[in-house]
Amino acid sequence: DTGVSQNPRHKITKRGQNVTFRCDPISEHNRLYWYRQTLGQGPEFLTYFQNEAQLEKSRLLSDRFSAERPKGSFSTLEIQRTEQGDSAMYLCASSAPFPDTQYFGPGTRLTVL
Amino acid sequence: GQQVMQIPQYQHVQEGEDFTTYCNSSTTLSNIQWYKQRPGGHPVFLIQLVKSGEVKKQKRLTFQFGEAKKNSSLHITATQTTDVGTYFCAGLRETDSWGKFQFGAGTQVVVTP
Repeated sequence: DTGVSQNPRHKITKRGQNVTFRCDPISEHNRLYWYRQTLGQGPEFLTYFQNEAQLEKSRLLSDRFSAERPKGSFSTLEIQRTEQGDSAMYLCASSAPFPDTQYFGPGTRLTVL
Repeated sequence: GQQVMQIPQYQHVQEGEDFTTYCNSSTTLSNIQWYKQRPGGHPVFLIQLVKSGEVKKQKRLTFQFGEAKKNSSLHITATQTTDVGTYFCAGLRETDSWGKFQFGAGTQVVVTP
């Protein structure tokens, strides 16, 4: 068990480009979460999957954001037409029911120029 | 915006002193979790509280869930330099289904030797 991994670790893109991030959860974890964190703030909930089903999605998540977890294992988060305000650390976490401890990955730092 | 408020935002502590950080919600929570994030790192799970009035201890850390399940506290005794970091609480509202955790903005702890 190597923990939650995220790729890439850093992404620099120009405004208007599309970006995709990947999260590989801990293998036996069926629950997966995406958060966004900016400097000096706590993680902001984006979306939650149980197996392959996306059960919760933040109202803050505009239609430029989409997340998938096609086989209930890894997940991808895509941001279309990036804006400078999208610059942040994107964190993924996974958990298994009882005790539902969320294990966070190292994050993908996105910089939109 | 943040529906879970944490105070204080910053805490400067002399090594060996005690301090408490507080987490307050405007709505009743079914679950509250505490995390620690070291500078440059990702959040690491500390504890989960689910019962009204629950108190849990981890060595020098004492966590409490309020009777009304709207607030929580983390008390650290005999602070050490290893306690440096930002402590976040994350609450799940009773009206929300599993997954939609709301993080506070955190309490950044600086320890002076």
